[in-house]
Amino acid sequence: EVQLAESGGGLVQPGGSLRLLCTGSGFTFSSYSMNWVRQAPGKGLEWLAYITPSSSTMYYADSVKGRFTISRENVRNSLYLQMNSLRDEDTAVYYCARDLLRYTGSYYRSNAFDVWGQGTMVTVSS
Amino acid sequence: EIVLTQSPGTLSLSPGERATLSCRASQSVDSNYLAWYQHKPGQAPRLLIYGASSRATGIPDRFSGSGSGTDFTLTISRLEPEDFAVYYCQHFSGYTFGQGTKLEIK
Repeated sequence: EVQLAESGGGLVQPGGSLRLLCTGSGFTFSSYSMNWVRQAPGKGLEWLAYITPSSSTMYYADSVKGRFTISRENVRNSLYLQMNSLRDEDTAVYYCARDLLRYTGSYYRSNAFDVWGQGTMVTVSS
Repeated sequence: EIVLTQSPGTLSLSPGERATLSCRASQSVDSNYLAWYQHKPGQAPRLLIYGASSRATGIPDRFSGSGSGTDFTLTISRLEPEDFAVYYCQHFSGYTFGQGTKLEIK
């Protein structure tokens, strides 16, 4: 079964750091671009970051650029989100999500997220 | 930056009725990169439609997507009890999501 599972969430003070982990199983992790998406309490979905299979390209939402870093270790089927300088407004459930299509090279474009984890809660509060 | 506006914000319908959800882009977009998701509380979002009109694997045929340019629609032909949820559109020009439409039981 194709699955993603997030971990690493918790309570952190404003200005602090946290690293989230997403582990994939049931598919060839190294063939897919991956993403992080979050949902703040009472709000909608917000895409945060994207990474290609070889880590050659990353994209970030303006709201997290310069504070969050997406990375991956294909040998461990693992995706990471390093979150620094956390703010109250970063409080959310954080999801990892897989691109629908296998990555095909420099002309590849994402068109949907077909596999999602169950999410991990991050609370930023003093 | 393309902004996706979904309407209505909340839709109240009964099981068996037809649901029509709208997603409007602030400028014309490539329909190949428009997706729809269903999200229930405490669960992972679920891909319904990609490429504006292609159903994802395992999605019942009561779900259909259409549209082009700036106007896109998700239609649920006959609502089942499990269809009541929040629905999001997303376009991959900037990976942005619409703000969502809550489909609630009337």
